[in-house]
Amino acid sequence: EPEVTQTPSHQVTQMGQEVILRCVPISNHLYFYWYRQILGQKVEFLVSFYNNEISEKSEIFDDQFSVERPDGSNFTLKIRSTKLEDSAMYFCASSWSAGNEQYFGPGTRLTVT
Amino acid sequence: KNEVEQSPQNLTAQEGEFITINCSYSVGISALHWLQQHPGGGIVSLFMLSSGKKKHGRLIATINIQEKHSSLHITASHPRDSAVYICAVIPSNSNSGYALNFGKGTSLLVTP
Repeated sequence: EPEVTQTPSHQVTQMGQEVILRCVPISNHLYFYWYRQILGQKVEFLVSFYNNEISEKSEIFDDQFSVERPDGSNFTLKIRSTKLEDSAMYFCASSWSAGNEQYFGPGTRLTVT
Repeated sequence: KNEVEQSPQNLTAQEGEFITINCSYSVGISALHWLQQHPGGGIVSLFMLSSGKKKHGRLIATINIQEKHSSLHITASHPRDSAVYICAVIPSNSNSGYALNFGKGTSLLVTP
């Protein structure tokens, strides 16, 4: 069965460093999402992406964040200058149409020290 | 105030028991999702509902749009059902992004 994959599974970085989290959505899906979950808290929406542009973003998704679909398969989330409070599990998800079931990747645990 | 409220927050049941998890939301929605989060953190979609009822194996999900309420039922619960169950909605005023708005989750432990 097709699945969403994410790399790396765990990333440790120092405050102020740039990180890129990578996702490979399911191949025929058109809508892509990033969510994050700070330890012990609920999952929060960051950004959605369709047709090579951002379709919606949350207040969390400030200028430090950017997303890109550099080729036909990868979907990346970049954090330019990480802060301690960026430590969280980051989930990528994809769906084949708007409002349809979203399939989640296994997550990348980001630890900022 | 969170737009999506779940109850109970924690639930312990004995194997074989019938389990109900509730979700209430305060906004108009285009769809509601039930998701399962395993202890390792992975999230799996269980149901997407916009009306009525859906059943998959021992899981049943219902939604009442007028009352802004949904329930997830697990029949004949088993220890492998132990997980966090999350309700999430797509607000009908979603700015074309169809982003999910999550509840805090219900942590279920089923003991043998």
